[in-house]
Amino acid sequence: QQQVRQSSQSLTVWEGETAILNCSYENSAFDYFPWYQQFPGEGPALLIAIRSVSDKKEDGRFTIFFNKREKNLSLHIKDSQPGDSATYFCAASAGNKLTFGIGTRVLVRP
Amino acid sequence: AQTIHQWPVAEIKAVGSPLSLGCTIKGKSSPNLYWYWQATGGTLQQLFYSITVGQVESVVQLNLSASRPKDDQFILSTEKLLLSHSGFYLCAWGDSQDTQYFGPGTRLLVL
Repeated sequence: QQQVRQSSQSLTVWEGETAILNCSYENSAFDYFPWYQQFPGEGPALLIAIRSVSDKKEDGRFTIFFNKREKNLSLHIKDSQPGDSATYFCAASAGNKLTFGIGTRVLVRP
Repeated sequence: AQTIHQWPVAEIKAVGSPLSLGCTIKGKSSPNLYWYWQATGGTLQQLFYSITVGQVESVVQLNLSASRPKDDQFILSTEKLLLSHSGFYLCAWGDSQDTQYFGPGTRLLVL
C-alpha cells in the first residue's frame, strides 16, 4: 500500500519549460509535505516544503500547489535548466515518520 | 551551520560479515536522528529514529540495529549481512519543524 504516490517515474522537458511533478497521498494525518532533490550518488537535499494549512508555497523557480480536499500536490519548476536534471521525491510527514514517494526522474534537455 | 558526516563513504562486504555505519552531526544540539535505506534507483525507507541519547525506535525490521551512544552520533549495525542489505544508507537529522536534512550517504555492496 503506497501512502505517497508520484504519478510519473520520469519526465522530460526542454530547457526553459515548466516541469510539473504530481503527488498524491492517502493518510489524512499527513500535515507536512517536503520535496527533495537527489543527484546520483548524493543524499537528498530539501528543495521546498509546505504545510497542510497552506495551498501554495513559492521559492524562486519552485512552487508547490497543495489541495487538501483532493489529497494531492504538485511541484512546478519554472524555466527548467539542465542543472535541474535530478530525481525529485515527494514526501509526507506525520510526527517523526517521513514517508517518501518513488521519485520522479526529471531530464531537462538543452 | 549544521554539518552531517557519514562514514565510511562506501563498503564492500561479504554475506554473513558484520557491519557498522556511523553518522555525526555538528552544530545542532539534541537533534532528532534518522536512518534510511535506499535501493539503487528506489525510494527511501525510514529504518530507525532517535530523539535522545540511548533511545532508538525501529520503524521496519531489516535485521539491522541502531544505537545512539552520544548526542551527536548515530550508529547502524548488524552482526550478519544479507545480500538484501546492499544499497545506499542515509542518515538525517530533524529540526523542531519536522524538516529532515540528509547526509551524503554510505554506499554498501554485499557480495
